[in-house]
Amino acid sequence: AQSVTQLGSHVSVSEGALVLLRCNYSSSVPPYLFWYVQYPNQGLQLLLKYTSAATLVKGINGFEAEFKKSETSFHLTKPSAHMSDAAEYFCAVSDRGYNDMRFGAGTRLTVKP
Amino acid sequence: NAGVTQTPKFQVLKTGQSMTLQCAQDMNHEYMSWYRQDPGMGLRLIHYSVGAGITDQGEVPNGYNVSRSTTEDFPLRLLSAAPSQTSVYFCASSSGGYNEQFFGPGTRLTVL
Repeated sequence: AQSVTQLGSHVSVSEGALVLLRCNYSSSVPPYLFWYVQYPNQGLQLLLKYTSAATLVKGINGFEAEFKKSETSFHLTKPSAHMSDAAEYFCAVSDRGYNDMRFGAGTRLTVKP
Repeated sequence: NAGVTQTPKFQVLKTGQSMTLQCAQDMNHEYMSWYRQDPGMGLRLIHYSVGAGITDQGEVPNGYNVSRSTTEDFPLRLLSAAPSQTSVYFCASSSGGYNEQFFGPGTRLTVL
């Protein structure tokens, strides 16, 4: 079965600094990959998804992620962090659709002024 | 357009009690799912439905029942609550395939 590992349960950056959140996956077939964001006391919101069309995927709020098959990675980046980016971020993988989606444990991003 | 709504927002139960978590969506989505979120474990799929009258088990279905009598509603039932079911529960809906899932605001459940 597919699975996701998010490296680092907490990441702290300064405002204006690069954001890098790491995600590695395992899957026996070409996967679909997702990044979600969860703000305090809210549900999850889709940031971006990879569905094999292009390896560099651009999402909302200036985030992007690159699918690297050789490294089985799908890291999330943003060139310049903003205070409003403070949230928890989840990487997810699916082989067959939403009925088999597997989420990582999450990475909490803190942005320091 | 309310999206996905969940009630209640908070609930405290005693071991052995039963309750139903409500979920409704107004986007005419065929796919609906229930997840639980536990610290350090991300979200895990409990049950899902691909349309009215069709439900199936996810990754962690034990202790939970669901039904889908209408497209809009997808309630989650706990027949005999256990402390291990203390969690935050999220309902989600989508138009299917790999299209975006829309999540509700969650229900925080504590079982004493």
